[in-house]
Amino acid sequence: KQEVTQIPAALSVPEGENLVLNCSFTDSAIYNLQWFRQDPGKGLTSLLLIQSSQREQTSGRLNASLDKSSGRSTLYIAASQPGDSATYLCAVDIENSNSGYALNFGKGTSLLVTP
Amino acid sequence: NAGVTQTPKFRILKIGQSMTLQCTQDMNHNYMYWYRQDPGMGLKLIYYSVGAGITDKGEVPNGYNVSRSTTEDFPLRLELAAPSQTSVYFCASSYSPGVYQPQHFGDGTRLSIL
Repeated sequence: KQEVTQIPAALSVPEGENLVLNCSFTDSAIYNLQWFRQDPGKGLTSLLLIQSSQREQTSGRLNASLDKSSGRSTLYIAASQPGDSATYLCAVDIENSNSGYALNFGKGTSLLVTP
Repeated sequence: NAGVTQTPKFRILKIGQSMTLQCTQDMNHNYMYWYRQDPGMGLKLIYYSVGAGITDKGEVPNGYNVSRSTTEDFPLRLELAAPSQTSVYFCASSYSPGVYQPQHFGDGTRLSIL
């Protein structure tokens, strides 16, 4: 069974800092890995999707890397802003006989960027 | 575009009552999913559908039922509400089975069973 772990569970940084969120998974047979943002009381917004054949993806101040062999991914946020405050979820997409191509989620990292 | 729309946004039920959580998407996606999110936990898959008329169980299906009569709609039914079903429910959709395609999520239904 695929287990997805996110470290740290919570993080508080001053505005302007660069930061790294970590995600690890136990089964390297993944199709892709996605990073989501969740604002309080809202649904999930997809930030970046890394295909299993890729090493990284970039969108603006966000950069996500993937190391399938070691079962790790990182989300790098440059020059953090208070508007980045949210919960960040990592999810891996695998073929599972019980649930099709469903996403397996970590518990998330709650990020607070202070002015 | 509306994307994935869930109704209601909030609901309080008494133990033993039943209700249907509605989900509709306007992106012509084949794949639709229902997840639940408990406090401090990741999302867990309840049911999924690969197209109209086809549904299958996910990781935590007990106490729920689904149907998929159209491409757009994927309602989730609770027949006998129990306190353990207090959670936030998210519906999602994707064009293909996750490979290279991100899932799009609704804003969720916050359900309390008292």
